[in-house]
Amino acid sequence: DTGVSQDPRHKITKRGQNVTFRCDPISEHNRLYWYRQTLGQGPEFLTYFQNEAQLEKSRLLSDRFSAERPKGSFSTLEIQRTEQGDSAMYLCASSSGWIEQYFGPGTRLTVT
Amino acid sequence: ELKVEQNPLFLSMQEGKNYTIYCNYSTTSDRLYWYRQDPGKSLESLFVLLSNGAVKQEGRLMASLDTKARLSTLHITAAVHDLSATYFCAETSGSRLTFGEGTQLTVNP
Repeated sequence: DTGVSQDPRHKITKRGQNVTFRCDPISEHNRLYWYRQTLGQGPEFLTYFQNEAQLEKSRLLSDRFSAERPKGSFSTLEIQRTEQGDSAMYLCASSSGWIEQYFGPGTRLTVT
Repeated sequence: ELKVEQNPLFLSMQEGKNYTIYCNYSTTSDRLYWYRQDPGKSLESLFVLLSNGAVKQEGRLMASLDTKARLSTLHITAAVHDLSATYFCAETSGSRLTFGEGTQLTVNP
């Protein structure tokens, strides 16, 4: 097992376009998290899945954001009508319990 | 609202010196995390502190937790250049981690 993977690693898009990111958690981890990190700041929680159920969403997750984990394995995070303020690193993490979250390499989004 | 405060936010130190990074957090959680992040990279887990009085050491780094004071410390002993990175502490409430702003550490030769 090679850990949490994310795709793409980098994405440049024009304002107003839609983007989708994918996260593959560590095998058999039933919990999956999305965070966003802007330059010079710590990561901020966006949402959390246990298996396929989305159990918690941050107020940061506006209507333009949607996340899914349809079969309880990989997850996607879609941003519609991107804005320049969406430029950030989007981090995915997974865990098998409450103790420790393992982070993926992140997807860096630049909105021009 | 959860709040995690780290200080200092920027730390420049010479190789061979010792220093401590402080992390104050807001909940009564008995779990506290330390992560390392290199520029443009993801987060690497350093320590998970699970109870009051917990102390963990790995190489030149030692972390401790005082839940009564809501304070965790990350102590650096005899710093080396390879320790240059940003260090985050994080507390947890339920599922989510709440991170501090990070301490950007630069170790100079």
